[in-house]
Amino acid sequence: GENVEQHPSTLSVQEGDSAVIKCTYSDSASNYFPWYKQELGKRPQLIIDIRSNVGEKKDQRIAVTLNKTAKHFSLHITETQPEDSAVYFCAASSGGGTSYGKLTFGQGTILTVHP
Amino acid sequence: DTEVTQTPKHLVMGMTNKKSLKCEQHMGHRAMYWYKQKAKKPPELMFVYSYEKLSINESVPSRFSPECPNSSLLNLHLHALQPEDSALYLCASSQVAPAGGQEQYFGPGTRLTVT
Repeated sequence: GENVEQHPSTLSVQEGDSAVIKCTYSDSASNYFPWYKQELGKRPQLIIDIRSNVGEKKDQRIAVTLNKTAKHFSLHITETQPEDSAVYFCAASSGGGTSYGKLTFGQGTILTVHP
Repeated sequence: DTEVTQTPKHLVMGMTNKKSLKCEQHMGHRAMYWYKQKAKKPPELMFVYSYEKLSINESVPSRFSPECPNSSLLNLHLHALQPEDSALYLCASSQVAPAGGQEQYFGPGTRLTVT
């Protein structure tokens, strides 16, 4: 089955700096890669996603890049703000067959943005 | 309505009790999911329903029994749980897409404590 590795496990930055979180996946059939933000005591919220036919996607201060050959994808947050502090999870999904609908999550990155 | 709702928010139950968790969505999604999340860990998939039929069971113990009475509702029936089953139980929903993954929207979760 799919295996997703996420690094780093913790990331501390100053307000205004950029933050980068990286994930690698094992199943070349995976074709959908979402990123979720989870604040303490709250639900995971989808912040951005990318499909395998796209190399990069951007939404204001957040961007995701995908390298299908190397099987890795990254989340980039620019001009970080204290409210960006949360746990971020990457995930991969292959869709189709018996794995349909299954998201495999990375272990999470605790991002702390210091004012 | 763009929300997934879950009841109850908190549940404390003894090991001999029978209880149910409920999830509801009115986004017209035909795929619904149950996840279990332990503290500081990613969500772990338990069950997937597609068009009200169980499509994935991640080898979950039989003391957890899912039910999908209609396209908007998802239940998780609990019986004879163990203390290690204490966790946040998250429900999610998405569109059904045969060719690849779809955005999953999470409910706020039920915080379950087994005593």
